[in-house]
Amino acid sequence: EIVLTQSPGTLSLSPGERATLSCGASQSVSSSFLAWYQQKPGQAPRLLIYGASSRAAGIPDRFSGSGSGTDFTLTISRLEPEDFAVYYCQQYGSSPWTFGQGTKVEIK
Amino acid sequence: QLQLQESGSGLVKPSQTLSLTCAVSGGSISRGGYSWTWIRQPPGKGLEWIGYIYHSGSTYYNPSLKSRVTISVDRSKNQFSLKLSSVTAADTAVYYCARGDEYDDYFDYWGQGTLVTVSS
Repeated sequence: EIVLTQSPGTLSLSPGERATLSCGASQSVSSSFLAWYQQKPGQAPRLLIYGASSRAAGIPDRFSGSGSGTDFTLTISRLEPEDFAVYYCQQYGSSPWTFGQGTKVEIK
Repeated sequence: QLQLQESGSGLVKPSQTLSLTCAVSGGSISRGGYSWTWIRQPPGKGLEWIGYIYHSGSTYYNPSLKSRVTISVDRSKNQFSLKLSSVTAADTAVYYCARGDEYDDYFDYWGQGTLVTVSS
């Protein structure tokens, strides 16, 4: 199975700053079948990005995804207060579908 | 707006079978192309895909759980279900149901999740 490793584990930033989250795969993710989710405490994950770079419906354009092969990035251009949460990547190119362990974006 | 809602026992004894149901509203579970999925999250930990069922009834399970998992669909009630047998404390988690996209297996709609605790 493909193992996804997210870095850093925790990102401490201030509102207005830029956040860069990484997701590395143990083997190439076919056709860039990679998604990103946001999860807030006590809530279900919310889809942000699919296909490595396509924003899901209703997601603000400050969220962007990039990458291919084994290296993927989620960028939040300017952090809003509601963006402080845990972010997960997920690959769906090779069964079983797997998730990264998460990156927590916290207020500095 | 599609909505998913999990229900079932919140406390299961070790070695018994965990049973959960996901009721789907705002859309038909029989509509072709989508997968209906179970995902779990142990307290304070990450997400694990359990498996899914297509509208056709075909199922796909995580190999790590395959020997203990059954996912089924009840089209008349517009719901799908999860059974996980021989549970241990390691199966304690929040269990989510979700919908897989029509063309690819990312998850665009999620239930709120339900905590299942395995304890005697």
